[in-house]
Amino acid sequence: DGGITQSPKYLFRKEGQNVTLSCEQNLNHDAMYWYRQDPGQGLRLIYYSQIVNDFQKGDIAEGYSVSREKKESFPLTVTSAQKNPTAFYLCASSIATTSASPLHFGNGTRLTVT
Amino acid sequence: SQQGEEDPQALSIQEGENATMNCSYKTSINNLQWYRQNSGRGLVHLILIRSNEREKHSGRLRVTLDTSKKSSSLLITASRAADTASYFCATASGGGADGLTFGKGTHLIIQP
Repeated sequence: DGGITQSPKYLFRKEGQNVTLSCEQNLNHDAMYWYRQDPGQGLRLIYYSQIVNDFQKGDIAEGYSVSREKKESFPLTVTSAQKNPTAFYLCASSIATTSASPLHFGNGTRLTVT
Repeated sequence: SQQGEEDPQALSIQEGENATMNCSYKTSINNLQWYRQNSGRGLVHLILIRSNEREKHSGRLRVTLDTSKKSSSLLITASRAADTASYFCATASGGGADGLTFGKGTHLIIQP
């Protein structure tokens, strides 16, 4: 079955540590995205990538970094510079790089930083 | 910035009844999409309606779009317990890949 796999499902880190969240897709989609969701809130775009080796900042990129070395993979690093990193992180992909392409989401990683 | 705002924030109905959720937005859009999110899971795309469309159906879902009022509604008919979830509207103002802006969602509970 095609889909998006995010791992791990739950992640716990101490303050001051960088942490990398994994996102892999086998849908052969060009575009990939990282969103952050806080309780009772909508999704906010962190970074997106339309093609391998290229990515752009979203609305809340500060304190985050990404890479896109392979079409299938779009890992997100939450750095120690992110002031409030505890959140639910969702990775998504779409077949085309237009806003009319529906997003396919993974099941998220819940990050808790103490 | 969040453009779409869903109303109500929460809705509880009996199984078999119809559920209606609304979404209002501020600026002109290319399309509007509805997504469902079950607790602790990712979002699932339900339906997309373009700015030149007024109504769209998919199974038990009916979406309307009124661009003059900058609003959309999602109707779920003959609700089932499995419809319990949060529903989000997402608006696309630009044509690019970064174009989707999500609202805060309506939490729907279907009472058996």
